[in-house]
Amino acid sequence: NAGVTQTPKFQVLKTGQSMTLQCAQDMNHEYMSWYRQDPGMGLRLIHYSVGAGITDQGEVPNGYNVSRSTTEDFPLRLLSAAPSQTSVYFCASSAYGVEAFFGQGTRLTVV
Amino acid sequence: DAKTTQPPSMDCAEGRAANLPCNHSTISGNEYVYWYRQIHSQGPQYIIHGLKNNETNEMASLIITEDRKSSTLILPHATLRDTAVYYCIVNLAYFGNEKLTFGTGTRLTIIP
Repeated sequence: NAGVTQTPKFQVLKTGQSMTLQCAQDMNHEYMSWYRQDPGMGLRLIHYSVGAGITDQGEVPNGYNVSRSTTEDFPLRLLSAAPSQTSVYFCASSAYGVEAFFGQGTRLTVV
Repeated sequence: DAKTTQPPSMDCAEGRAANLPCNHSTISGNEYVYWYRQIHSQGPQYIIHGLKNNETNEMASLIITEDRKSSTLILPHATLRDTAVYYCIVNLAYFGNEKLTFGTGTRLTIIP
């Protein structure tokens, strides 16, 4: 049972490049979320999903896109990377009445 | 969602009980209190949650005041591995944990 798996673990992008951060869970959870964490701060919600085909914006959605075509996967797309998106990104999954399980994070640097 | 207030940092001697306070004076009747912790920039880890009764599990105890405006997380016998940032979060009871609001938490340092 792998839980929540995020790939890649580390990434360096140039300004303007695009990329997709992958997140997969094997617990059949209906809820999935993406957070970012900047140095010295708590996690902030980017986007979340309450089921396949259903997504919604969180606190800091600008510059990011998501889709949820399957229960297992919830990719986060950066359309045109900016230095302000340098951060650690965490994916989480949960279900009603079940606590959130987090991945180990993707450390992204935009130069 | 109700906001929470936590001290930015605390120290605790190894083997002693660590008591982490949290104020949530605007909590509503249908909001739970959750505690998560984050060890050394890993993904956060769930600890415990409660509505109005005190709760205990294998990791910790949660004491919620009768008026529900504050709570205390208790780690009964702190070890060095308990050094982490602890987050107190309030969350609506009829939601899952899909949109948690993290503050800056309390950085707990366990001292040998």
